[in-house]
Amino acid sequence: LAKTTQPISMDSYEGQEVNITCSHNNIATNDYITWYQQFPSQGPRFIIQGYKTKVTNEVASLFIPADRKSSTLSLPRVSLSDTAVYYCLVPYNQGGKLIFGQGTELSVKP
Amino acid sequence: GAGVSQTPSNKVTEKGKYVELRCDPISGHTALYWYRQSLGQGPEFLIYFQGTGAADDSGLPNDRFFAVRPEGSVSTLKIQRTERGDSAVYLCASSFGTGELFFGEGSRLTVL
Repeated sequence: LAKTTQPISMDSYEGQEVNITCSHNNIATNDYITWYQQFPSQGPRFIIQGYKTKVTNEVASLFIPADRKSSTLSLPRVSLSDTAVYYCLVPYNQGGKLIFGQGTELSVKP
Repeated sequence: GAGVSQTPSNKVTEKGKYVELRCDPISGHTALYWYRQSLGQGPEFLIYFQGTGAADDSGLPNDRFFAVRPEGSVSTLKIQRTERGDSAVYLCASSFGTGELFFGEGSRLTVL
């Protein structure tokens, strides 16, 4: 049964690169890793998903080492609007159940 | 609409009353999830539907909570004999089953 562990909070300044690492020791062989962003009073929003190595889209990159026991979300040159809670998500079991952890509260300062 | 729609957006009720929360998923999405989120916490899994059937309802806290999805599209979360501890934001998400969940804006339930 897979669980995730992330830092509770992180601080950064505008223009910096931010890396948030998530541990998922029991991830199953075929499972993807998905990251979400949540602003106050809104539902979580999909950022990026990956299986191995590196995935990049217009907002973020996702780095996954060969053992897949962790993943790192990289946000280049953050702005104040990136202040949010970030969750990594892996399937809890093979039945499709998806469980969110505590998330990482990112605070971007001017 | 293009996204997941949840109604009502806000619901205030009295302790002991019955409440229904509705979720209208993205058309064609076979998977539907309900989560509950309290202030400062991550979304707490309640139930997951694949089509019309509940594939996993292990997150429902007790038998006062029940959810249906009779035609494999719209889902209703039903809470009987509400308690103050049920106050939270109830989130619905739908998916093609790829792990990418599309969330609604949530229904904020306040039990007085």
